Amino acid sequence: QLQLQGSGPGLVKPSETLSLTCTVSGDSISRSTYYWGWIRQPPGKGLEWIGSIYSSGNPYYNPSLKSRVTISLDTSKNQFSLKVTSVTAADTAVYYCARSGGDYGEGAFDIWGQGTMVTVSS
Amino acid sequence: EIVMTQSPATLSVSPGERVTLSCRASQSVRSNLVWYQQKPGQAPRLLIYDASTRAAGIPARFSGSVSGTEFILTISSLQSEDFAVYYCQQYNNWPPITFGQGTRLEIK
Repeated sequence: QLQLQGSGPGLVKPSETLSLTCTVSGDSISRSTYYWGWIRQPPGKGLEWIGSIYSSGNPYYNPSLKSRVTISLDTSKNQFSLKVTSVTAADTAVYYCARSGGDYGEGAFDIWGQGTMVTVSS
Repeated sequence: EIVMTQSPATLSVSPGERVTLSCRASQSVRSNLVWYQQKPGQAPRLLIYDASTRAAGIPARFSGSVSGTEFILTISSLQSEDFAVYYCQQYNNWPPITFGQGTRLEIK
């Protein structure tokens, strides 16, 4: 059974870099033909897609965040990661990692991690 | 960017009632539209994909339909566990993938 587990610091200072990792268990992220994505949700607000990376390593980013975001795969650890540079209070959110693709469609997120709350504050 | 507009923002309903939630796209997204349910403190759960197909394990009381660029999520008879926030999301010609702002179902 596929599971995603996000991890990373819960507190990041303004202007620094937010780094999160999602560990995938139950399938190889490089073998499967899925997308591995990041979605965030500010407290009390809606969902925002940050970006996704295909199992081959090709990333796709939200244009609104593209200049500050990097998503990468680490196949040796079966993980994918998110980096957001120059963070501000507006980046405070729960960050979810999720899988899309397969039978549900390349943009349909069917498996989600538990979410990691990240607060940007000095 | 395709803008997804959900209405209403909040809906107060009683258990057992039938409800319809609307999601309108600013341009065609074909059938590349999904619905999620999110309960407090939980990750979203995929309900409907391809605009009208239930995901695995989703009860038959949930159904999706489309008319042009308006997508409808119907819950035929509300159960207590259905009170949550519902989001639509499109992925036509992505990036970007975009979500609606959500509809909250409250107990009347």
